[in-house]
Amino acid sequence: QQQVKQSPQSLIVQKGGISIINCAYENTAFDYFPWYQQFPGKGPALLIAIRPDVSEKKEGRFTISFNKSAKQFSLHIMDSQPGDSATYFCAAMISNFGNEKLTFGTGTRLTIIP
Amino acid sequence: KAGVTQTPRYLIKTRGQQVTLSCSPISGHRSVSWYQQTPGQGLQFLFEYFSETQRNKGNFPGRFSGRQFSNSRSEMNVSTLELGDSALYLCASSPLGDGTPVGQYFGPGTRLTVT
Repeated sequence: QQQVKQSPQSLIVQKGGISIINCAYENTAFDYFPWYQQFPGKGPALLIAIRPDVSEKKEGRFTISFNKSAKQFSLHIMDSQPGDSATYFCAAMISNFGNEKLTFGTGTRLTIIP
Repeated sequence: KAGVTQTPRYLIKTRGQQVTLSCSPISGHRSVSWYQQTPGQGLQFLFEYFSETQRNKGNFPGRFSGRQFSNSRSEMNVSTLELGDSALYLCASSPLGDGTPVGQYFGPGTRLTVT
């Protein structure tokens, strides 16, 4: 059972454009939603995270939008740069004590073209 | 602060053998989690350790096991290797482990190839 669905599988965006990646979850007990960026040959790197008590969080060019009623969240990368070309994963976690288990989406391969 | 380190980075084993992978978390981090990454299944949770105790386990067979030492370093072991165990094995550490989500920080992974 895939608890976190991510789309699109791949995305090509022109330099300077906005990249948007979407995720939907099923388990309403999830209460922590991080995004990870992974370059080839590297481990995933924590990019930005949100909790469901806010609808938006922004860090630099990266913004998470969260819609609790729709059980959806998305990552927006503003002014996309070639250096942003990587695979992005959304994830979800139930943050009660004794649970550090992340459930990941299937990943989006983002390519920024000049 | 040094990041999560994993050794070895690459490993080639034969079916039926066993393997042990090592992870050193970020200094001060008490929770260590392990994930398997494959092109077909993506990133899947294996298990999590905190204060030398396994607190959570994913849906993997008993051939996959792990442990954590008093200095928070962790090892995972896979016995009787199968071809399908070929994957990138990622270790992640988290500072608190008390339910406050502050993020997990991943190492570079160990690329295991089973022939």
